[in-house]
Amino acid sequence: EMQLVESGGDLVQPGRSLRLSCAASGFTLGDYALAWFRQAPGRGLEWVGFIRIKAYGGTTEYAASVKGRFTISRDDSKSIAYLQMNNLKTDDTAVYYCTRGFCNGGSCYTNNWFDPWGQGTLVTVSS
Amino acid sequence: DIQMTQSPSSLSASVGDRVTITCRASQTVSNFLNWYQQKPGKAPKLLIYGASSLQTGVPSRFSGSASGTDFTLTISSLQPEDSGSYLCQQSYSIPYTFGQGTNLQIK
Repeated sequence: EMQLVESGGDLVQPGRSLRLSCAASGFTLGDYALAWFRQAPGRGLEWVGFIRIKAYGGTTEYAASVKGRFTISRDDSKSIAYLQMNNLKTDDTAVYYCTRGFCNGGSCYTNNWFDPWGQGTLVTVSS
Repeated sequence: DIQMTQSPSSLSASVGDRVTITCRASQTVSNFLNWYQQKPGKAPKLLIYGASSLQTGVPSRFSGSASGTDFTLTISSLQPEDSGSYLCQQSYSIPYTFGQGTNLQIK
């Protein structure tokens, strides 16, 4: 069964850092892009960013709201992806989901879809 | 950013009904439009990608169509397990954006 499992969510103070992990099983993580989304309490889904496969440089794209603070990385040998979150703000409070990205074209700029999704991990930023 | 507007925001229908949910993009997204189902406290589940392609394992009562910047998700015969929130998402350009969701209740 193809599965993604997030971990690392916690209660942190504003300005601190946190790293989330996303463990993949049932498929070869290195063959796919990996994206992160988040959903604030009672709010809609928001795209956070994604990382391309190594064949396309393993490069990343980010939403403007997190660019410069968040970093996505991947260790395909361990089938794990990461979301490093620095200088956290109260607006970053959300359930964070990782998901496998299907890119129709390795550049992944357009025409992508995401499946499956992990169960999510809660990040609460509060003093 | 591309704005995605869904309608209705909520609806209630009976088992066996045909249900239609609409998503309108603020500019062209070609056919790069995905539909997800999300149940309370759960992760989204991909139903339709590329506006009309049915994801593997999704029941054939779900279908998607497109006309310009308007997209439609249709459930041909509503089942009790179809309750939940339905979300459209464009993957035409970064940042990928979602509609606000349609909450579907079974009468």
